[in-house]
This record gives sequence, C-alpha cells and structure tokens, in this order.
Amino acid sequence: GESVGLHLPTLSVQEGDNSIINCAYSNSASDYFIWYKQESGKGPQFIIDIRSNMDKRQGQRVTVLLNKTVKHLSLQIAATQPGDSAVYFCAENIRRGSQGNLIFGKGTKLSVKP
Amino acid sequence: KAGVTQTPRYLIKTRGQQVTLSCSPISGHRSVSWYQQTPGQGLQFLFEYFSETQRNKGNFPGRFSGRQFSNSRSEMNVSTLELGDSALYLCASSLSGRADETQYFGPGTRLLVL
Repeated sequence: GESVGLHLPTLSVQEGDNSIINCAYSNSASDYFIWYKQESGKGPQFIIDIRSNMDKRQGQRVTVLLNKTVKHLSLQIAATQPGDSAVYFCAENIRRGSQGNLIFGKGTKLSVKP
Repeated sequence: KAGVTQTPRYLIKTRGQQVTLSCSPISGHRSVSWYQQTPGQGLQFLFEYFSETQRNKGNFPGRFSGRQFSNSRSEMNVSTLELGDSALYLCASSLSGRADETQYFGPGTRLLVL
C-alpha cells in the first residue's frame, strides 16, 4: 500500500473571505518562484509567478508576496470561491547553469465552505 | 494551444515489470521535465530533456530513464518496478527549460504497482 502521506497543512475559509497561503523556500539563490494549484486527479496548474527582483505581483484575484530576507512566499486569494478548493504548491526554480528545475513545497490544502 | 498531454492516464503493473510513459509538450516547447508525486515525498524532480538530450537529473535510481524525440515528445521508462514506484508521474514543458521560464504540467499518469 501507499506509505504514510505528508500531513498537508489545511486552510479552511468561508466563501467570499480572503485566503492567505504561506510557503518557505530553501535556496537563497533561487530567483524565480511559481504558485501552482492542483485539483484532485489533475496536474498542477500555473497560477502566478514572481521573480526575485520583485516583492509583490498581482493577478486576477491573486497576489503573491516575496520576502527574500526570510525566504518566504505567500499567496493571497481575494473573495475565495468554492472552485478555489485545491492543494496549493509553491515552487522555486533552482538554477543549474542557465537551466532550472522546480523544487516544490509540501503544499497547503485549501477548503472553501459555501 | 493544446496543453501538455500524457498517456496512458492510468496503469497497473506488477513488481519486476517495466513501464513506459509518454508525454507530448505544448506546441513549440522544447524542454520536457518529469516529476514523481507521492503522498510520502510530495513532488520530486526526475529529469529534464531538451533537444533530445538529458540536461538535468534528480536523485532517482538508474531504473528511471527517459528520452526525447526530435518532435520534443518524451518518454520515461521505469524498469524492474517496485511497490514504492506507485505514484503520479507528471510531465511539464517549457519553451527552453530556462530557470526563469514557467513550466506547464500535464494531467499525469497514475501508476499502481502491485
């Protein structure tokens, strides 16, 4: 059978409230960060990205904040909707030469109560 | 544009068998990366291909291999399957695999090893 799973942090919010999902990254040299949303049975879906020369970036209903001093990322979702229920992953793109590969955080499960 | 496609979507194999998974990237994308997702370890990088060459490799045993064709389609192979290889295998594509490029994921192939 499957091994014991990661205990995903869970955030439960009421529909219409704002959600804040936090993430700590590992490599101070990382310069590109991405938030992905993964719904059950699907692959990760790109939400928003941010480069290390920025500390804030806004999209449609989403905002990403980057604090390089403490190696922390957050994703803010405004007016959370039931369709936002999913697992959210932050990822840092570890640079290897000019290429990179993604290192993912453990994920946070967002549950939206109608 | 069509997204990343992966086939098959589901597979059941027994220990000791081998398996081949296929990934077609977004049209125009030349970099293909593979990731393994398990409840115990989360999302982990396997390897990345560009122009039919493996450029980056994660920390997986040699039983995991891959290749890329001239049309950028990629396959990964797992030989001598073990129970612990049961996972969701995700493929992601980007234009050239640069560290500041977004990677877009397919729906994954769910492999169950009995």
